[in-house]
Amino acid sequence: LAKTTQPISMDSYEGQEVNITCSHNNIATNDYITWYQQFPSQGPRFIIQGYKTKVTNEVASLFIPADRKSSTLSLPRVSLSDTAVYYCLVARQDSWGKFQFGAGTQVVVTP
Amino acid sequence: DAEITQSPRHKITETGRQVTLACHQTWNHNNMFWYRQDLGHGLRLIHYSYGVHDTNKGEVSDGYSVSRSNTEDLPLTLESAASSQTSVYFCASSDQGTNSPLHFGNGTRLTVT
Repeated sequence: LAKTTQPISMDSYEGQEVNITCSHNNIATNDYITWYQQFPSQGPRFIIQGYKTKVTNEVASLFIPADRKSSTLSLPRVSLSDTAVYYCLVARQDSWGKFQFGAGTQVVVTP
Repeated sequence: DAEITQSPRHKITETGRQVTLACHQTWNHNNMFWYRQDLGHGLRLIHYSYGVHDTNKGEVSDGYSVSRSNTEDLPLTLESAASSQTSVYFCASSDQGTNSPLHFGNGTRLTVT
C-alpha cells in the first residue's frame, strides 16, 4: 500500500476554508484516495473518495492532480464542529478495507 | 436506520483472561474489519472478513482471533489478554462492491491490568 504523508496539525478560524494536502508518491494505478474524519471517542467517518480530477459532495471537495501523487481535501467555511482528525488513505481495490492509517491531521477550528 | 454497534463500550480485564468483543451490523454488509487504535500508531488492522466463514489476518493479528458464522456479527477474541493489548478497538463494515465506504462503530476501550 502506498504510504501517505500529511501535516500533523492545522489551525483555522470559523468561516475559513481549510485545505489539507496529502502526498502519496507510490500510488498504484488501481488505487483510490479516500478521506476519513474522526472525532474523540468515535470511530472514523467517511468523508470523500476519488480516483482523479475533482470530486465534490455536500461536505468537502477532493482535488487530485493528473499524476495522482498528491491530493487535497478542501473543507469550505469550517465551523467549530469540524475540529477533528482527518485521515488520508490510499485504498487498493483488490484488498478493500485493508487501510493503512497514519497519524492524520488534527484540525482545530477556533471562533 | 442501519448501524454498527460494539459492546461493551468499556472493559477492564486481567492479564491471561480470555475476552470477547462484540460487533454487530445491520447494514447487511459482506465485509467486516477489526482495527485497534493506539497513541503513536494510528489505526492498525487486526483481522478482516469478506463474507460468512471467511476470515483473514491483518497487520497485528497475533493474540487475536475472529469467526464469522453469519453476516451480521464478527466477534473479536483475545485468547489470553496481555497488557500490550490495552487499546481502543474499532469494528467496521463495508458493502461488497469495491470502493464502498467503511462504516465504523464507536469503539470498545479495553484495559488489561
